Amino acid sequence: EDQVTQSPEALRLQEGESSSLNCSYTVSGLRGLFWYRQDPGKGPEFLFTLYSAGEEKEKERLKATLTKKESFLHITAPKPEDSATYLCAVQAGGTASKLTFGTGTRLQVTL
Amino acid sequence: GAVVSQHPSWVICKSGTSVKIECRSLDFQATTMFWYRQFPKQSLMLMATSNEGSKATYEQGVEKDKFLINHASLTLSTLTVTSAHPEDSSFYICSAHPKRPGGYEQYFGPGTRLTVT
Repeated sequence: EDQVTQSPEALRLQEGESSSLNCSYTVSGLRGLFWYRQDPGKGPEFLFTLYSAGEEKEKERLKATLTKKESFLHITAPKPEDSATYLCAVQAGGTASKLTFGTGTRLQVTL
Repeated sequence: GAVVSQHPSWVICKSGTSVKIECRSLDFQATTMFWYRQFPKQSLMLMATSNEGSKATYEQGVEKDKFLINHASLTLSTLTVTSAHPEDSSFYICSAHPKRPGGYEQYFGPGTRLTVT
């Protein structure tokens, strides 16, 4: 059974204080690993897809990396508007695009 | 691009009644649409997967007679919660997988908050 574990569960940073979120996974035949951002009361917003170990993707202050066992979402010099829950999900090959989600990391960035 | 809408955004209904939620992909065609349920401070739990023109595939533990899914076209899927009860109160979110080569990401709608009284 595919499993995704995210840590920490919650993270509080001061503006400008860089950090990383972790996503550990076990999946039979990884097709893709996905990062989403979810604001309270809203649907998840797509951030990145990573397909193979060693791959990196960047978007503004966010950078996602992937190894064979885990993915990191690095947040550089965060701002209060980066506060949200960040969700990691995996998709196994041959499963009709089904995603398995982790429980997320709630990030709060304060002034 | 890749915008998904849901209607309504919130609904309150009485116990025993049925509620229909619509999910539309606005600027792309969706091979597959998905329905999720999310409880407060918990992650998304997949309820069912639907492909246009075929029956939905339900996850283990999800009652297919209670949660009726119709994927009428490549841009529209509906979820009907039949004979709703207070325990069905939750945040329902749909997602869509674009019909195009490559790329396996899903794009999510804004969600529908259902409250059953």
